[in-house]
Amino acid sequence: SAVISQKPSRDICQRGTSLTIQCQVDSQVTMMFWYRQQPGQSLTLIATANQGSEATYESGFVIDKFPISRPNLTFSTLTVSNMSPEDSSIYLCSALGLAGSPDIQYFGAGTRLSVL
Amino acid sequence: AQKVTQAQTEISVVEKEDVTLDCVYETRDTTYYLFWYKQPPSGELVFLIRRNSFDEQNEISGRYSWNFQKSTSSFNFTITASQVVDSAVYFCALRTGGYQKVTFGTGTKLQVIP
Repeated sequence: SAVISQKPSRDICQRGTSLTIQCQVDSQVTMMFWYRQQPGQSLTLIATANQGSEATYESGFVIDKFPISRPNLTFSTLTVSNMSPEDSSIYLCSALGLAGSPDIQYFGAGTRLSVL
Repeated sequence: AQKVTQAQTEISVVEKEDVTLDCVYETRDTTYYLFWYKQPPSGELVFLIRRNSFDEQNEISGRYSWNFQKSTSSFNFTITASQVVDSAVYFCALRTGGYQKVTFGTGTKLQVIP
């Protein structure tokens, strides 16, 4: 399995500010994804982080609100911009394409974000 | 379009009871993968099992077993002799062959009462 580290694990932020979440995988992976999980809900895919190019966003999510970077095959960041209380959620990083387990998607422990 | 339905929102059982979590999926693809994940209160999603569409063999791993039936588009998960540590939200998920995105069900919250 892969070790996926997310930082910060939790944060409390003020309305209107931005937070950048970091995701580090302990080995190279083909694909990385960012998900949002609102309280008591299932996971919703925000975007696929593409190495060296712009992320691919799902319907309802835009780059201005959730800019994503992926400079290499093991690291990605998600920024939640101009936050409002509606952005309070768990944000999860995920990786797919690990050598030895190419079809299994692994997840980080998530970042619990509360916006006041 | 692909869809995963977990009709059971919450289940409570007494420790040592067996419990089955239901999962029904929809896809038009003939090649697909099914998954179960566990999300304990800590929040991390823990991978439990992957099954591809060409392998209908049931699987047993310790107290866990999975029943995959293509005829009913179901991939049910049974915990035998449940323990308090099994308390978590369990997600069933589907990914079709050429489509890297995973569709998750809404999850089943399992509470095992001592």
